[in-house]
Amino acid sequence: GNSVTQMEGPVTLSEEAFLTINCTYTATGYPSLFWYVQYPGEGLQLLLKATKADDKGSNKGFEATYRKETTSFHLEKGSVQVSDSAVYFCALKAGGGNKLTFGTGTQLKVEL
Amino acid sequence: DVKVTQSSRYLVKRTGEKVFLECVQDMDHENMFWYRQDPGLGLRLIYFSYDVKMKEKGDIPEGYSVSREKKERFSLILESASTNQTSMYLCASSSNGPYEQYFGPGTRLTVT
Repeated sequence: GNSVTQMEGPVTLSEEAFLTINCTYTATGYPSLFWYVQYPGEGLQLLLKATKADDKGSNKGFEATYRKETTSFHLEKGSVQVSDSAVYFCALKAGGGNKLTFGTGTQLKVEL
Repeated sequence: DVKVTQSSRYLVKRTGEKVFLECVQDMDHENMFWYRQDPGLGLRLIYFSYDVKMKEKGDIPEGYSVSREKKERFSLILESASTNQTSMYLCASSSNGPYEQYFGPGTRLTVT
């Protein structure tokens, strides 16, 4: 079946540090890949997506590249801010269905 | 912008009560989903619907039922609430291609 594995959190960084949150997946065929963000007390928001190999999704300074050879979609940001503190979820859609498969989420804490 | 609203942000119910959680989306999406979110477990799919009056079980349907009488509205029903159903409940909707899901703000349900 399909699955998404994310690095365990929490990840704690100082402001302006470089961020990487690892995400690897197992899926049949050629999935679409997503990163969602959940700020405290809120629902999930789509952060970025990529629909085919070598695509790069980007938004709000965050980037992730769809790497088919390593089945990965790692999230990166060059300089994090306190306001980036949130839980980040990697997800995929594979096959003909309309469901997403989510990872367990990685909490990011950014400190001054 | 897509808007998904949920009837309550916080709800406290007693064991054995029947509980209704309502979700409404305003973008004419075909698909609607109910998840529960628990620490360390990420998002788990309870039920989803791909059309009016159609529903499919997700990964953890036991103890829950759903209703979709109108395209914009998807209700989650706890027939007899139990303390192990204390959780954050998230509703989402999506169209058929692209499949990214849009989430409501969540309902934090406490069963005492």
